[in-house]
Amino acid sequence: DVKVTQSSRYLVKRTGEKVFLECVQDMDHENMFWYRQDPGLGLRLIYFSYDVKMKEKGDIPEGYSVSREKKERFSLILESASTNQTSMYLCASSLDGLNSGNTIYFGEGSWLTVV
Amino acid sequence: EDQVTQSPEALRLQEGESSSLNCSYTVSGLRGLFWYRQDPGKGPEFLFTLYSAGEEKEKERLKATLTKKESFLHITAPKPEDSATYLCAVQDDFGANNLFFGTGTRLTVIP
Repeated sequence: DVKVTQSSRYLVKRTGEKVFLECVQDMDHENMFWYRQDPGLGLRLIYFSYDVKMKEKGDIPEGYSVSREKKERFSLILESASTNQTSMYLCASSLDGLNSGNTIYFGEGSWLTVV
Repeated sequence: EDQVTQSPEALRLQEGESSSLNCSYTVSGLRGLFWYRQDPGKGPEFLFTLYSAGEEKEKERLKATLTKKESFLHITAPKPEDSATYLCAVQDDFGANNLFFGTGTRLTVIP
């Protein structure tokens, strides 16, 4: 079974703090993704990575950055957390892109509250 | 821009009462349409991928179908454990590394 593990399920951070969300996948997938999910807005792509040290902006990258130093690990960074970044964050991975219709598999999610 | 609209937003069914969820989409070129199930507080769980109009896939009480403008998720004789939010997403020919999601249908099956 594909396993995408997000290290923190629930976090509470203060405005202005730097926040790291970590994600690890165990299936040797090339692609990894970070989404956020908000009521009424669905899932929106923040960033994705198709290879180590490679990254591409998604639909809502502002206020976020990412790091992929190893193939299995993809980190989302909030440089200075703000209250409008309170959300559920979902990490995902897929094999060799979606060009061949490969499925995206999701982690359990990280609930971030910024106060 | 890709658009995915799911209806209804919420659906309550009695156990055993069959029904269908709708996913209408607009894409420049469809590469794939995906269905996911999401339980409260958890990440989406993959159900099906459909690639071309006329295609159908089944899994237990669920059957997904695809036309050129919409997809249906048919639920036959649902059970309470089928209660979840069902998400539809599309991949287009240009956004090869992304899925564009609808906002989901929240299904409640009452015993």
